[in-house]
Amino acid sequence: SQTIHQWPATLVQPVGSPLSLECTVEGTSNPNLYWYRQAAGRGLQLLFYSVGIGQISSEVPQNLSASRPQDRQFILSSKKLLLSDSGFYLCAWSVGGAGAYEQYFGPGTRLTVT
Amino acid sequence: AQTVTQSQPEMSVQEAETVTLSCTYDTSESDYYLFWYKQPPSRQMILVIRQEAYKQQNATENRFSVNFQKAAKSFSLKISDSQLGDAAMYFCAYRSYWGGSEKLVFGKGTKLTVNP
Repeated sequence: SQTIHQWPATLVQPVGSPLSLECTVEGTSNPNLYWYRQAAGRGLQLLFYSVGIGQISSEVPQNLSASRPQDRQFILSSKKLLLSDSGFYLCAWSVGGAGAYEQYFGPGTRLTVT
Repeated sequence: AQTVTQSQPEMSVQEAETVTLSCTYDTSESDYYLFWYKQPPSRQMILVIRQEAYKQQNATENRFSVNFQKAAKSFSLKISDSQLGDAAMYFCAYRSYWGGSEKLVFGKGTKLTVNP
C-alpha cells in the first residue's frame, strides 16, 4: 500500500532563517506531488505541484521554492522565512493521468515563524 | 478559473441525527470530479467521498452520501446517523485537469460540531 511521510511534524523558526520541509511517498511510482499551505481556520492553498523529477510548477509567487530531486521525494524550501510563512503545510500525492484520482495527504508540518 | 464555495462556515448536529453540508462550484468544463475531504483535529486530510460528473447516480459511502446537481453546480454532503467522530472540518474540492496535471480547488471549509 502507499504511504506518505512528512517531516518534521512541528517546527519553530526565527524570521530570516532557512527552511526545508521534506515529503516522501512509498508504494507508488511517478506520482504527482503537491505542496499546500493552510493558514489557521482557512482552506488549503496550493503552492507547488510536480508531475516528475525536476518538474515544478508554482501557483503563488512568494519566497518559497520546491524541488523534486527523486521520483518520490518533494522538498519545500525557503532561504529567509517571513512571519507570514507560518501555517500548516501539507504534502499530497496522486496518480497521474485522466480519471478520478483523488489526492492523498500526509500528516502535515506545523510551522511557526517567530 | 474554477471556484468552490462552501456557504456554511459552521454547522452543528445532534448525535444520531442527519446533517447536510452545502457546496457549490463554478466551472465551464463538462467533465470533472468532485470530492469531500474531512479534516479532524489531528489535521490529517481524509477523503470521504468522490463523484464523477459524468455519472448521474449520487455516490454513497456507508453513512455518507452526496446530492449532485450538475445543472445547478451543487454538490452537498449528507451525513446520516451522525457520530461524535464525525466532528471535523469538511472541505469540498473540485478536480480540474489543466496543463497535464490534476489540480484540486478547495472550498474554505465547514466546521461540523456533533453534540452528544
